Amino acid sequence: AQKITQTQPGMFVQEKEAVTLDCTYDTSDQSYGLFWYKQPSSGEMIFLIYQGSYDEQNATEGRYSLNFQKARKSANLVISASQLGDSAMYFCAMRGYFGNEKLTFGTGTRLTIIP
Amino acid sequence: NAGVTQTPKFRVLKTGQSMTLLCAQDMNHEYMYWYRQDPGMGLRLIHYSVGEGTTAKGEVPDGYNVSRLKKQNFLLGLESAAPSQTSVYFCASNTDREIAQPQHFGDGTRLSIL
Repeated sequence: AQKITQTQPGMFVQEKEAVTLDCTYDTSDQSYGLFWYKQPSSGEMIFLIYQGSYDEQNATEGRYSLNFQKARKSANLVISASQLGDSAMYFCAMRGYFGNEKLTFGTGTRLTIIP
Repeated sequence: NAGVTQTPKFRVLKTGQSMTLLCAQDMNHEYMYWYRQDPGMGLRLIHYSVGEGTTAKGEVPDGYNVSRLKKQNFLLGLESAAPSQTSVYFCASNTDREIAQPQHFGDGTRLSIL
């Protein structure tokens, strides 16, 4: 069974500061993928970034980067130079090799950017 | 660029009524999914399909049925709606078993059961 834990229900960050959203996971699979999604107040789910368990480099997509620490089973999302439009719910999710048709989601972190 | 389209976007039902939520994707994806989202609980998988004519149970399947008669459509049915099924429902799809492929989501259906 796979499990995703997001321990920060809510965060407030000053505009232009960097922010780290925590995600830890548990799986017995050796091969797996980790995803981050953004859900703004309008409700849609937006894919942000992906990290594979065998990727040697941390994933980056524009202002988003993933701090992947495999031994600690953590995959924290880092948003640099936060903007007001970054205010949203953020979900961490994983997909394992076995039963890999399914995503397992964490409970999410609500990020609020303060002007 | 339709992607994943959910119909309807909002619906209010009375307890005991039935309804069907429709999900359509135009990306020729094999895999399709139905999730429900409740406050503080993230997204939970209800049912999914790995191809036309196939369905499988997810984490919270009770009270729901699904059908995948055409590759592009995935229907979620509530036979006898209950207040506990008040939620936001998301449909998603992705191409295949490749782990790196992200799921593409519809905009959600907000369902209230009175």
